[in-house]
Amino acid sequence: EAGVVQSPRYKIIEKKQPVAFWCNPISGHNTLYWYLQNLGQGPELLIRYENEEAVDDSQLPKDRFSAERLKGVDSTLKIQPAELGDSAVYLCASSSGTGAGEQYFGPGTRLTVT
Amino acid sequence: KQEVTQIPAALSVPEGENLVLNCSFTDSAIYNLQWFRQDPGKGLTSLLLIQSSQREQTSGRLNASLDKSSGRSTLYIAASQPGDSATYLCAVPPISGGYNKLIFGAGTRLAVHP
Repeated sequence: EAGVVQSPRYKIIEKKQPVAFWCNPISGHNTLYWYLQNLGQGPELLIRYENEEAVDDSQLPKDRFSAERLKGVDSTLKIQPAELGDSAVYLCASSSGTGAGEQYFGPGTRLTVT
Repeated sequence: KQEVTQIPAALSVPEGENLVLNCSFTDSAIYNLQWFRQDPGKGLTSLLLIQSSQREQTSGRLNASLDKSSGRSTLYIAASQPGDSATYLCAVPPISGGYNKLIFGAGTRLAVHP
Protein backbone atom coordinates (compact mmCIF):
# COMPACT_ATOMS: atom_id res chain seq x y z
CA GLU A 1 0.00 0.00 0.00
CA ALA A 2 1.43 3.36 -1.02
CA GLY A 3 1.80 5.90 1.74
CA VAL A 4 0.93 9.58 1.76
CA VAL A 5 2.71 11.33 -1.10
CA GLN A 6 3.79 14.97 -0.97
CA SER A 7 5.52 17.20 -3.46
CA PRO A 8 7.76 19.00 -3.71
CA ARG A 9 10.00 17.76 -0.93
CA TYR A 10 11.91 21.03 -0.76
CA LYS A 11 11.08 24.54 -1.92
CA ILE A 12 13.07 27.76 -1.69
CA ILE A 13 11.35 31.00 -2.61
CA GLU A 14 11.78 34.70 -2.02
CA LYS A 15 9.41 36.49 0.29
CA LYS A 16 6.22 37.80 -1.28
CA GLN A 17 6.23 35.01 -3.85
CA PRO A 18 3.43 32.42 -4.00
CA VAL A 19 4.00 28.74 -3.29
CA ALA A 20 1.87 25.60 -3.46
CA PHE A 21 2.20 22.17 -1.91
CA TRP A 22 0.49 19.03 -3.13
CA CYS A 23 -0.65 15.95 -1.20
CA ASN A 24 -2.02 12.59 -2.31
CA PRO A 25 -3.45 10.66 0.66
CA ILE A 26 -3.61 6.91 1.13
CA SER A 27 -6.23 5.41 -1.14
CA GLY A 28 -9.60 5.22 0.57
CA HIS A 29 -8.76 7.67 3.35
CA ASN A 30 -11.52 10.23 3.50
CA THR A 31 -9.88 12.48 6.11
CA LEU A 32 -6.92 14.65 5.14
CA TYR A 33 -4.88 16.96 7.33
CA TRP A 34 -2.34 19.71 6.73
CA TYR A 35 0.09 20.41 9.56
CA LEU A 36 2.78 23.03 10.06
CA GLN A 37 5.94 22.00 11.90
CA ASN A 38 8.44 24.61 13.01
CA LEU A 39 11.97 23.61 13.86
CA GLY A 40 12.17 21.88 17.23
CA GLN A 41 8.39 21.81 17.67
CA GLY A 42 5.62 19.31 17.18
CA PRO A 43 3.23 19.60 14.25
CA GLU A 44 0.26 21.98 14.54
CA LEU A 45 -2.93 21.40 12.62
CA LEU A 46 -3.73 23.95 9.91
CA ILE A 47 -6.79 22.38 8.31
CA ARG A 48 -8.71 19.12 8.26
CA TYR A 49 -10.87 17.81 5.43
CA GLU A 50 -13.62 15.23 5.58
CA ASN A 51 -13.89 14.23 1.92
CA GLU A 52 -13.99 17.58 0.08
CA GLU A 53 -15.29 19.61 3.01
CA ALA A 54 -12.98 21.63 5.25
CA VAL A 55 -14.36 20.82 8.71
CA ASP A 56 -11.67 22.46 10.83
CA ASP A 57 -9.71 25.42 9.47
CA SER A 58 -9.61 27.44 12.67
CA GLN A 59 -5.78 27.49 12.69
CA LEU A 60 -5.36 28.43 9.04
CA PRO A 61 -4.17 32.04 8.51
CA LYS A 62 -6.77 32.83 5.92
CA ASP A 63 -5.29 36.14 4.86
CA ARG A 64 -2.46 34.36 3.05
CA PHE A 65 -3.12 30.63 3.23
CA SER A 66 -5.69 28.69 1.24
CA ALA A 67 -6.36 25.04 0.65
CA GLU A 68 -8.55 22.90 -1.52
CA ARG A 69 -9.39 19.24 -1.87
CA LEU A 70 -11.11 18.75 -5.16
CA LYS A 71 -13.10 15.52 -5.54
CA GLY A 72 -12.17 14.55 -2.00
CA VAL A 73 -8.82 13.01 -2.93
CA ASP A 74 -5.72 15.12 -3.61
CA SER A 75 -5.22 18.39 -1.81
CA THR A 76 -3.27 21.58 -2.43
CA LEU A 77 -2.11 24.08 0.19
CA LYS A 78 -1.16 27.53 -1.06
CA ILE A 79 0.58 30.51 0.49
CA GLN A 80 0.36 33.91 -1.18
CA PRO A 81 2.35 35.96 -0.47
CA ALA A 82 4.94 34.03 1.52
CA GLU A 83 6.66 35.66 4.49
CA LEU A 84 9.96 34.85 6.16
CA GLY A 85 8.11 33.35 9.12
CA ASP A 86 6.46 30.76 6.89
CA SER A 87 9.72 28.83 6.66
CA ALA A 88 8.84 25.44 8.13
CA VAL A 89 7.92 21.88 7.21
CA TYR A 90 4.40 21.35 5.89
CA LEU A 91 3.11 17.87 6.62
CA CYS A 92 0.13 16.13 5.11
CA ALA A 93 -1.58 13.21 6.84
CA SER A 94 -4.61 11.06 6.18
CA SER A 95 -6.84 8.70 8.10
CA SER A 96 -9.69 6.37 7.29
CA GLY A 97 -12.08 7.50 9.99
CA THR A 98 -11.85 4.08 11.58
CA GLY A 99 -9.02 2.49 13.57
CA ALA A 100 -9.28 4.99 16.43
CA GLY A 101 -8.40 7.81 14.09
CA GLU A 102 -4.82 6.71 13.48
CA GLN A 103 -3.14 9.19 11.16
CA TYR A 104 -0.54 8.38 8.54
CA PHE A 105 1.93 11.10 7.64
CA GLY A 106 3.72 12.01 4.44
CA PRO A 107 7.41 13.02 4.33
CA GLY A 108 6.60 16.73 4.32
CA THR A 109 7.65 19.73 2.25
CA ARG A 110 10.43 21.85 3.69
CA LEU A 111 9.83 25.49 2.77
CA THR A 112 12.54 28.10 3.01
CA VAL A 113 11.55 31.72 2.44
CA THR A 114 14.48 34.09 1.82
CA LYS B 1 -6.64 24.28 26.29
CA GLN B 2 -4.72 21.02 26.04
CA GLU B 3 -0.95 21.33 26.40
CA VAL B 4 1.51 18.49 25.90
CA THR B 5 5.01 18.56 27.37
CA GLN B 6 7.84 16.15 26.73
CA ILE B 7 10.85 15.68 28.94
CA PRO B 8 13.75 15.54 28.31
CA ALA B 9 14.05 17.63 25.16
CA ALA B 10 17.17 15.70 24.16
CA LEU B 11 18.84 12.53 25.33
CA SER B 12 22.12 10.85 24.42
CA VAL B 13 22.79 7.30 25.59
CA PRO B 14 25.22 4.49 24.80
CA GLU B 15 23.97 1.51 22.88
CA GLY B 16 22.29 -1.16 24.98
CA GLU B 17 20.80 1.12 27.61
CA ASN B 18 17.17 0.96 28.60
CA LEU B 19 15.57 4.39 28.57
CA VAL B 20 12.36 6.20 29.37
CA LEU B 21 10.81 9.14 27.57
CA ASN B 22 8.17 11.18 29.34
CA CYS B 23 5.03 12.89 28.11
CA SER B 24 2.57 14.91 30.18
CA PHE B 25 -0.72 16.51 29.22
CA THR B 26 -2.90 19.01 31.05
CA ASP B 27 -6.40 17.78 30.18
CA SER B 28 -7.09 14.14 31.07
CA ALA B 29 -10.22 14.02 28.89
CA ILE B 30 -8.59 12.33 25.92
CA TYR B 31 -9.58 9.63 23.44
CA ASN B 32 -6.15 8.05 23.31
CA LEU B 33 -2.45 8.84 23.34
CA GLN B 34 -0.12 8.19 20.46
CA TRP B 35 3.64 7.95 20.20
CA PHE B 36 5.34 8.79 16.92
CA ARG B 37 8.87 8.61 15.62
CA GLN B 38 10.32 11.20 13.26
CA ASP B 39 13.61 10.72 11.45
CA PRO B 40 15.46 13.80 10.16
CA GLY B 41 13.84 15.21 7.05
CA LYS B 42 11.00 12.72 7.15
CA GLY B 43 7.41 12.50 8.24
CA LEU B 44 6.03 10.87 11.36
CA THR B 45 5.69 7.14 11.83
CA SER B 46 3.13 5.87 14.33
CA LEU B 47 4.70 3.62 16.98
CA LEU B 48 2.02 2.93 19.54
CA LEU B 49 -1.54 4.03 20.24
CA ILE B 50 -3.02 3.59 23.72
CA GLN B 51 -6.77 3.93 24.10
CA SER B 52 -7.95 5.97 27.08
CA SER B 53 -9.26 2.80 28.74
CA GLN B 54 -5.91 1.03 28.44
CA ARG B 55 -2.86 1.18 30.71
CA GLU B 56 -0.15 0.14 28.28
CA GLN B 57 0.76 -1.08 24.82
CA THR B 58 3.79 -3.03 23.67
CA SER B 59 5.47 -3.41 20.32
CA GLY B 60 8.78 -5.23 20.21
CA ARG B 61 11.28 -3.35 22.36
CA LEU B 62 8.84 -0.50 22.92
CA ASN B 63 6.39 -0.25 25.79
CA ALA B 64 4.12 2.74 26.32
CA SER B 65 2.13 3.32 29.48
CA LEU B 66 -0.72 5.70 30.16
CA ASP B 67 -1.87 7.15 33.47
CA LYS B 68 -4.76 9.30 32.36
CA SER B 69 -5.72 10.57 35.80
CA SER B 70 -2.27 12.06 36.38
CA GLY B 71 -1.88 13.20 32.78
CA ARG B 72 1.25 11.18 32.06
CA SER B 73 2.61 8.67 29.61
CA THR B 74 6.00 7.04 29.31
CA LEU B 75 7.69 5.36 26.38
CA TYR B 76 10.14 2.69 27.46
CA ILE B 77 12.78 1.56 24.97
CA ALA B 78 14.63 -1.59 25.90
CA ALA B 79 18.17 -2.36 24.80
CA SER B 80 18.54 0.79 22.72
CA GLN B 81 20.27 0.62 19.32
CA PRO B 82 21.83 3.30 17.10
CA GLY B 83 18.90 2.79 14.72
CA ASP B 84 16.60 4.10 17.46
CA SER B 85 18.13 7.56 17.04
CA ALA B 86 15.27 9.88 16.07
CA THR B 87 12.83 12.36 17.55
CA TYR B 88 9.97 10.84 19.51
CA LEU B 89 6.71 12.74 19.77
CA CYS B 90 3.61 12.07 21.78
CA ALA B 91 0.19 13.38 20.80
CA VAL B 92 -3.29 13.38 22.29
CA PRO B 93 -6.69 14.04 20.75
CA PRO B 94 -8.65 15.88 23.44
CA ILE B 95 -12.31 14.93 23.70
CA SER B 96 -13.17 18.60 23.36
CA GLY B 97 -11.54 18.69 19.93
CA GLY B 98 -12.53 15.38 18.42
CA TYR B 99 -10.62 12.12 18.16
CA ASN B 100 -8.72 13.19 15.06
CA LYS B 101 -7.44 16.58 16.25
CA LEU B 102 -4.01 15.73 17.61
CA ILE B 103 -2.13 18.01 19.98
CA PHE B 104 1.58 17.27 19.84
CA GLY B 105 4.42 17.74 22.25
CA ALA B 106 7.69 19.24 21.03
CA GLY B 107 9.39 15.86 21.08
CA THR B 108 12.44 14.22 22.63
CA ARG B 109 15.49 14.03 20.38
CA LEU B 110 17.23 10.73 21.05
CA ALA B 111 20.78 9.85 20.05
CA VAL B 112 22.06 6.32 20.67
CA HIS B 113 25.79 6.03 20.11
CA PRO B 114 27.72 2.81 19.53
